[in-house]
Amino acid sequence: GIQVEQSPPDLILQEGANSTLRCNFSDSVNNLQWFHQNPWGQLINLFYIPSGTKQNGRLSATTVATERYSLLYISSSQTTDSGVYFCAGGSQGNLIFGKGTKLSVKP
Amino acid sequence: KAGVTQTPRYLIKTRGQQVTLSCSPISGHRSVSWYQQTPGQGLQFLFEYFSETQRNKGNFPGRFSGRQFSNSRSEMNVSTLELGDSALYLCASSPGTGMNTEAFFGQGTRLTVV
Repeated sequence: GIQVEQSPPDLILQEGANSTLRCNFSDSVNNLQWFHQNPWGQLINLFYIPSGTKQNGRLSATTVATERYSLLYISSSQTTDSGVYFCAGGSQGNLIFGKGTKLSVKP
Repeated sequence: KAGVTQTPRYLIKTRGQQVTLSCSPISGHRSVSWYQQTPGQGLQFLFEYFSETQRNKGNFPGRFSGRQFSNSRSEMNVSTLELGDSALYLCASSPGTGMNTEAFFGQGTRLTVV
């Protein structure tokens, strides 16, 4: 089955810094999403991005489907950005998740 | 538009018992998928239901089962609970057809087996 690898596993930043999270897929996927898991466990949708680039405020994402990877950019990080970021992809109704990147933003 | 609703939010059960979790998808969505999250295994796909039929299935034992009703609401059942079934169970809703396959998740049910 498809393998999803996220890097780095852990990331510590000072408030205001920028960061890039990466997600590699072992095979092509026809959907790709980025999530932020809040402290209560809910997965919050950040981007649905099978290909191309999208931006939403301080966050942006790029997926290069032909090379099977996606990047999530966080600019001017804030303490509220802390948490675990997951990428996931696969076929409709069946998402394969990476192990996540745990981000800690220090004030 | 209401989001995905999962009930109950928290549950404590004893080994050997069974449990039923419920998920109401976003209105108009016909696909409901279930996932298990544990510290050791991460997020793993359990199964997906679309139009009352199981469309995809993950690699879990037969103790894990589910169903979907005509209004797209779904339930999952775990029989003969084991300690290792303690996890956060998440359900996701998506349109089920067409080009946009974006999934939206509920708040989860945290199951503790003692």
